[in-house]
Amino acid sequence: SAVISQKPSRDICQRGTSLTIQCQVDSQVTMMFWYRQQPGQSLTLIATANQGSEATYESGFVIDKFPISRPNLTFSTLTVSNMSPEDSSIYLCSVDGGGTGELFFGEGSRLTVL
Amino acid sequence: KQEVTQIPAALSVPEGENLVLNCSFTDSAIYNLQWFRQDPGKGLTSLLLIQSSQREQTSGRLNASLDKSSGRSTLYIAASQPGDSATYLCAVPRNYGQNFVFGPGTRLSVLP
Repeated sequence: SAVISQKPSRDICQRGTSLTIQCQVDSQVTMMFWYRQQPGQSLTLIATANQGSEATYESGFVIDKFPISRPNLTFSTLTVSNMSPEDSSIYLCSVDGGGTGELFFGEGSRLTVL
Repeated sequence: KQEVTQIPAALSVPEGENLVLNCSFTDSAIYNLQWFRQDPGKGLTSLLLIQSSQREQTSGRLNASLDKSSGRSTLYIAASQPGDSATYLCAVPRNYGQNFVFGPGTRLSVLP
């Protein structure tokens, strides 16, 4: 398994600003995933972050809006840029624990944009 | 494109009942299937992982089965408790490390 810490746990932001979410894992992992969960919806993958390479974004998500850093095997950040109320969601970091294909999640970062 | 559905969308039962949650997926070419629990406003907790070659997995009062050929999985919860109240999601990836497609979830309420 893996223990994942996310910061902030929640935040209220103004339209047009940007927020960076941090994800720290207690062990080295190859792949880290960032998901978005809009109110009342299920999870949608934003991007896959591999250490030492550019993140791979899913259809509908772009680097300018959701830049991702992956400086080492235990840490990643997701920035939500130029926020609008439509970006109000829970953002979740996840990892494959131990190479088994099993996903583990952080507690999520609940973002409200006014 | 993989699509995952879950039935029922919501379920309310009295404490002590045994219950079954259903997950269906359209593309049987999956690497594994995972069941999660999500409490309101929180992240996801992994409950059970079934590899594509397996038929079922058990953990305590939880039992999950997988029928890949028919595109179905069930999560059986025995002797339900109020603490089981949460949303239960299933998810499937096509291959190792690839995108997990999530179902919409079943919102469970267990009444004391």
